[in-house]
Amino acid sequence: AQSVSQHNHHVILSEAASLELGCNYSYGGTVNLFWYVQYPGQHLQLLLKYFSGDPLVKGIKGFEAEFIKSKFSFNLRKPSVQWSDTAEYFCAVNAGNAGNMLTFGGGTRLMVKP
Amino acid sequence: NAGVTQTPKFQVLKTGQSMTLQCAQDMNHNSMYWYRQDPGMGLRLIYYSASEGTTDKGEVPNGYNVSRLNKREFSLRLESAAPSQTSVYFCASSYGVARTVQETQYFGPGTRLLVL
Repeated sequence: AQSVSQHNHHVILSEAASLELGCNYSYGGTVNLFWYVQYPGQHLQLLLKYFSGDPLVKGIKGFEAEFIKSKFSFNLRKPSVQWSDTAEYFCAVNAGNAGNMLTFGGGTRLMVKP
Repeated sequence: NAGVTQTPKFQVLKTGQSMTLQCAQDMNHNSMYWYRQDPGMGLRLIYYSASEGTTDKGEVPNGYNVSRLNKREFSLRLESAAPSQTSVYFCASSYGVARTVQETQYFGPGTRLLVL
């Protein structure tokens, strides 16, 4: 079974700092990759996704993620964070043999100080 | 278009009590899912229904049952609640035409459950 690791559990940044959140997965075959965001008191929303093609994926609100197959990674980045980016971020993976099932990482809580 | 809705928003149960969490979607999606979210563990899949009339176990199905009542509704039942089931429960849905094609999952607002 696949697993997903998010090594940064808590991140605190000041506004305008750059952000990179790590995500590594364990499955060696074809994967579909997602980042979801959960703002305080809200439900999960899709930030971006990768199915195939260009490994650099751009999502909403200035976020992007890069799929590096050789490193089994799908790190999330943003050049300059804002206070409104304070949220919990979840990486999720669908392995090619897992039907519709998603495996989520443990999440990273980001706090952006104004 | 409400998306994915869940009821109730909050619930407190005593150990051994039963309850059903309701989920409905109005996006004409084929697939529906139940997750639980626990601190530091992300979301874990309890059960899912790839299409109307089918249900399958996810990662943590023990202590739960599900019913895909129709295409719109997917309920989660706790027959005898235990403190370990204290969690936030999320329902999700996706278009899910083919089992090998992963579509984006859309989530409901969640149900906070406390079992004493």
